Amino acid sequence: EVRLVESGGGLVQTGGSLRLSCSASGFTFNNYGMNWVRQAPGKGLEWISYISGSTVTIYYADSVKGRFTISRDKGEASVFLQMNTLRAEDTAVYYCAREPLAGPTAYAFDIWGQGTMVTVSS
Amino acid sequence: DIQMTQSPSTLSASVGDRVTITCRASQSLSGYLAWYQQKPGKAPKLLIYKASSLNSGVPSRFSGSESGTEFTLTINSLQPDDFATYYCQQYNSYSPYTFGQGTKLEIK
Repeated sequence: EVRLVESGGGLVQTGGSLRLSCSASGFTFNNYGMNWVRQAPGKGLEWISYISGSTVTIYYADSVKGRFTISRDKGEASVFLQMNTLRAEDTAVYYCAREPLAGPTAYAFDIWGQGTMVTVSS
Repeated sequence: DIQMTQSPSTLSASVGDRVTITCRASQSLSGYLAWYQQKPGKAPKLLIYKASSLNSGVPSRFSGSESGTEFTLTINSLQPDDFATYYCQQYNSYSPYTFGQGTKLEIK
């Protein structure tokens, strides 16, 4: 079964750090780009970061650039999001999403994890 | 950045109705537009990719179309399971990959 499972969310103080993990199973991990998308309570979806299968290409949304770092581990079949200098507006459910690099659904987000909640509070 | 304008924000309809949701892009997407369905407390689910291609396992009552920079999601013969929030997303350019504001489909 193709699956993504996020972990690492929780309550953190303003200015603090948190590291999210997304564990992948059921597919050849290196053949896919991976994204992080977040959703603030009662709000819409916001894409925040992408990493290619080779890790050569990385993108960030302006809202997190310089504070968040995306990475991936081939051996663990996992993608990570290191979040530093957290702000109240970073409070959201964080989803990881798979992005095929070939085939008919290429570049769409075809598989999503269940999400992990991050709450930033003073 | 490519801006996505999705409408309406809320839509009330009855089981059996046909509904249409629209997304307008600020520039050409070369067809790289996806539609997602999200139910409360759940992750989004890919319905349509490349503007009009139905993802595997998605019922055929869902369809997508494209006319220039305007994209439409149509649901024919609404079923109780279809009441959810729908998002469009452009994936033509990591400028970033932007989502529409969402459309909440409610039971009338």
